[in-house]
Amino acid sequence: EVQLLESGGGLVQPGGSLRLSCVASGFTFSTYGMSWVRQAPGKGLEWLSHIRGTGGDLKYADSVKGRFIISRDNSKNTLYLQMNSLRAEDTALYYCAKLKALIYFDDWGQGTQVTVSS
Amino acid sequence: NFMLAQPHSVSESPGKTVTISCTRSSGTIDSNYVQWYQQRPGSSPTAVIYEDNRRPSGVPDRFSGSIDLSSNSASLTISGLKTEDEADYYCQSYDSRSWVFGGGTKLTVL
Repeated sequence: EVQLLESGGGLVQPGGSLRLSCVASGFTFSTYGMSWVRQAPGKGLEWLSHIRGTGGDLKYADSVKGRFIISRDNSKNTLYLQMNSLRAEDTALYYCAKLKALIYFDDWGQGTQVTVSS
Repeated sequence: NFMLAQPHSVSESPGKTVTISCTRSSGTIDSNYVQWYQQRPGSSPTAVIYEDNRRPSGVPDRFSGSIDLSSNSASLTISGLKTEDEADYYCQSYDSRSWVFGGGTKLTVL
């Protein structure tokens, strides 16, 4: 059974930083692309970033480009999202999601909440 | 980049059939596959349709997907509506640079 467990969320002041983690199990982590997707309170889904299984081909949404950095450690089956220069509009539930065939998200974690507020 | 437009909400009665549309703003709808996700309150999204019209294992055949080149849109059709189908539904596609979600449609089964 695939499991994705996010952590690292919390309350941070505007301009601050957080690093999210997503520990994966139940599949060969290094062979799948992974993404981060967020959902602001009462809003829809927003894709943020992608990384291939090898760790290359990084992609970012314009809303986070230059502020967020995606990475992975395949030896630890863990996906990361380093979030810098956080803004109030980054307040959301952050999901990690496993990408199948680079097309669709076939497994999702339960999400970790990030709140940016002074 | 392109956008995917969905109606904000739809409602229908149990046992009936409902269709949710997803219109691509630029580029053709058949350029890249369209997926559909169901998100019940307080839960993570789960795919109900992938590659335009394929159902993941475990998704009932009451759920079906299609694309319409004339309207440049994709559709999710749910037949034999059940109260458990009440949820938010998101379409999703991609291009070489990004993955894109529609704004979501709230389905009310009343």
